[in-house]
Amino acid sequence: DAKTTQPPSMDCAEGRAANLPCNHSTISGNEYVYWYRQIHSQGPQYIIHGLKNNETNEMASLIITEDRKSSTLILPHATLRDTAVYYCIVSNQAGTALIFGKGTTLSVSS
Amino acid sequence: DGGITQSPKYLFRKEGQNVTLSCEQNLNHDAMYWYRQDPGQGLRLIYYSQIVNDFQKGDIAEGYSVSREKKESFPLTVTSAQKNPTAFYLCASSSLGSNQPQHFGDGTRLSIL
Repeated sequence: DAKTTQPPSMDCAEGRAANLPCNHSTISGNEYVYWYRQIHSQGPQYIIHGLKNNETNEMASLIITEDRKSSTLILPHATLRDTAVYYCIVSNQAGTALIFGKGTTLSVSS
Repeated sequence: DGGITQSPKYLFRKEGQNVTLSCEQNLNHDAMYWYRQDPGQGLRLIYYSQIVNDFQKGDIAEGYSVSREKKESFPLTVTSAQKNPTAFYLCASSSLGSNQPQHFGDGTRLSIL
């Protein structure tokens, strides 16, 4: 299973874009990149996922490099409620389990 | 509204006692999962099930048991054999397929008295 590497913490000013990086250099061709976030004492919340192309939904955008070895989650206009731990995850070969690392703690301040 | 319901939110266990955590989903998902989270750590897979009456061990199944008698329900029993059960337990479900996101409940926090 491919591993991911994320910075342990990031800060962002309210209203600015938050760009969260993730490295997954050992990703295989059929593995998807997923992003989740977790607010303290709650279950993880699904944000977005992608395979090769960039993706956008109502919450965020996902930019995947052409070689698929890294990706960036973009929250276009961060709010205080976006303060959370963000997990970048690569699906395993069988697509049956998510392998969570320690994620990036994003702190949004006013 | 569709979703995943875990109960109870907080649970206390005495030494040597088995406890069962409930997980129910009304999303019509085939697959269900149990994860454990320790403070400051990511999630680790305990068990998962892709179909009724069938389930597979995850990375840390020792000391736990599950059943899948109904599509909607996937209860987890923490047995007395689990020597360090204090943790945050999360249940998830998804449609089958390698690109189907998992959706999580709000968790059960288990503590030892």
